[in-house]
Amino acid sequence: EVQLVESGGGLVQSGGSLRLSCAASGFTFSSHWMSWVRQAPGKGLEWVANIKQSGSEQYYVDSVKGRFTISRDNAKNALYLQMSSLRADDTAFYYCARGKDTVTPGYVDLWGRGSLVTVSS
Amino acid sequence: IRMTQSPSSFSASPGDRVTITCRASQSVSSYLAWYQQKPGKAPKLLIYATSTLQSGVPSRFSGSGYGTDFTLTISCLQSEDFATYYCQQYYTYPRTFGQGTEVEIK
Repeated sequence: EVQLVESGGGLVQSGGSLRLSCAASGFTFSSHWMSWVRQAPGKGLEWVANIKQSGSEQYYVDSVKGRFTISRDNAKNALYLQMSSLRADDTAFYYCARGKDTVTPGYVDLWGRGSLVTVSS
Repeated sequence: IRMTQSPSSFSASPGDRVTITCRASQSVSSYLAWYQQKPGKAPKLLIYATSTLQSGVPSRFSGSGYGTDFTLTISCLQSEDFATYYCQQYYTYPRTFGQGTEVEIK
């Protein structure tokens, strides 16, 4: 089955760190750009970061630059998001998502179910 | 690039033709996608490249526009279409979404 499954979310104190993981299956993971998109409870979608197939390029929204790191392990079909210096406004569901277009990254056609990160102040 | 959708929400009846507008603060060429999200679920890709329907998406959905002004049209609203819709530009970084348009049952 083609799917993405996030893990690693939970409750963390402000200033703390957390690593999200996303396990991919059912497709050739190494052929796709991958992204993280988040959604604060009851709010809209916010693109967080994406990473090229080889891992050689990563892009971030300004609000997480220097605090979050996206990475991948193609041998394990896994995507990661290392989050540090967490703030209350990082509280959200974090979705792992697959880029549809292997050349023009940016829109995604497969989403995980999301992992909730709650940052307490 | 700021993406602004209008309206933010509205009520409609099954069978209605509905249109949602998305405006970009600067040109995004045709690099525009639309997603549908239902409560408690992950978003679903409907349209990319402004007007290309994602596989499996019903033909009652269509998209148009170029540059800064885009529309998503549902030609005949079905009960399963009541949801929140988001536009997203992928012309430049950071990728940005509109604030969402909630379509409610009248």
